[in-house]
Amino acid sequence: SYELSQPPSVSVSPGQTATITCSGDKLGDKFVSWYQQKPGQSPVLVVYQDTQRPSGIPERFSGSTSGITATLTIGGTQALDEAEYYCQTWDTNIDWVFGGGTKLTVL
Amino acid sequence: EELLVESGGGLVKPGGSLRLSCAASGFSFSDYSMIWVRQAPGKGLQWISSISPKTGDTYYGDSVKGRFTISRDNTKNSLYLQMNSLRAEDTAVYFCARDKGEGYDALDIWGQGTVVTVSS
Repeated sequence: SYELSQPPSVSVSPGQTATITCSGDKLGDKFVSWYQQKPGQSPVLVVYQDTQRPSGIPERFSGSTSGITATLTIGGTQALDEAEYYCQTWDTNIDWVFGGGTKLTVL
Repeated sequence: EELLVESGGGLVKPGGSLRLSCAASGFSFSDYSMIWVRQAPGKGLQWISSISPKTGDTYYGDSVKGRFTISRDNTKNSLYLQMNSLRAEDTAVYFCARDKGEGYDALDIWGQGTVVTVSS
């Protein structure tokens, strides 16, 4: 079965840049989305189509891809950005697949 | 406002059944594929099932194939998940979500989730 690999945790100081990676076989051939989930809440889409930001998502959230790795970058990280982040992809052979999640700690 | 509201969760014994509902509002429900995603306690997100907007083509993850059935009623703007032969490992928060469409392969609207607990 298809898997997306994310680091379990990432720590960042307030105001610094946080980067969260997501890797998978031939991931460069698929679109990647990123979701933010805070405790007790539903996931929120923060990046789609690798690099696009939905309306209402702050500009400090950005996505990129290189080869088999997608990256979510949060510039000028704030305390309110502390959350679990999931990458996700889809194709006709694997359906919807989520990464295992990365807990972002702002300290 | 585009909204999804799940209902129908609860406590059920192993081997039992439950039917989840997801009510959509604020958008043209019949234009979008819909999916169910679950999250076991302390775990990540897991895709369960999807259904296409018009023809109602259905797709299932291996862990629920043959036990769960997804359906929709476009006249009622509602999505359903019939869960049979429930197991302890089905215990989770179940979310319905909207496929953003247009080939973006993203889920842009999520419900608040409904809790399913399978325990004797």
